[in-house]
Amino acid sequence: EAGVAQSPRYKIIEKRQSVAFWCNPISGHATLYWYQQILGQGPKLLIQFQNNGVVDDSQLPKDRFSAERLKGVDSTLKIQPAKLEDSAVYLCASRPLSGTEAFFGQGTRLTVV
Amino acid sequence: DAKTTQPNSMESNEEEPVHLPCNHSTISGTDYIHWYRQLPSQGPEYVIHGLTSNVNNRMASLAIAEDRKSSTLILHRATLRDAAVYYCILRDPLAGGYQKVTFGTGTKLQVIP
Repeated sequence: EAGVAQSPRYKIIEKRQSVAFWCNPISGHATLYWYQQILGQGPKLLIQFQNNGVVDDSQLPKDRFSAERLKGVDSTLKIQPAKLEDSAVYLCASRPLSGTEAFFGQGTRLTVV
Repeated sequence: DAKTTQPNSMESNEEEPVHLPCNHSTISGTDYIHWYRQLPSQGPEYVIHGLTSNVNNRMASLAIAEDRKSSTLILHRATLRDAAVYYCILRDPLAGGYQKVTFGTGTKLQVIP
């Protein structure tokens, strides 16, 4: 079974630039999560989708972050404009509707300079 | 969300058992106890979960206190590959399927050869 795919693995940008991350969840998984993990901390949930609808985006900084999951399959997370404090690993995870286990991708490491 | 408390770090000798504690004194009757671990430079991976009874799988055992206010993840023979951050998480399946997977700071396990 293919896992959660994320790209790119690494990205370095200057502050005030824009960046986008892509996630392809495991086939058939209705729930998709984006997390931000700052060095030394646990992952923080940014947004949760159920199919193509948002069910929780309470911790997403909406003035600069946006996410979409068109057609309920793959998803894109965008930051515009980036700040130094956005340097982190961005993790995508997916889970089947009736399952208990969330499956994580390897993440995208973003460095903002 | 009910909170969990874990030690920041622990050490174990290789091939010895490891007991990783988690306190969750405000756990509700419908919260399941989940454990995930995160190897270096990887996304988190599911380890085990349980409700009231002790649970065993190929990776670990989960011992749950009778009052459910604490639990212990047991690795029977630690290997170098078990060096990771271990997260104890509470999840309520009655939350309509829109379950958050909320991480704390976890316990960093160091395995000494």
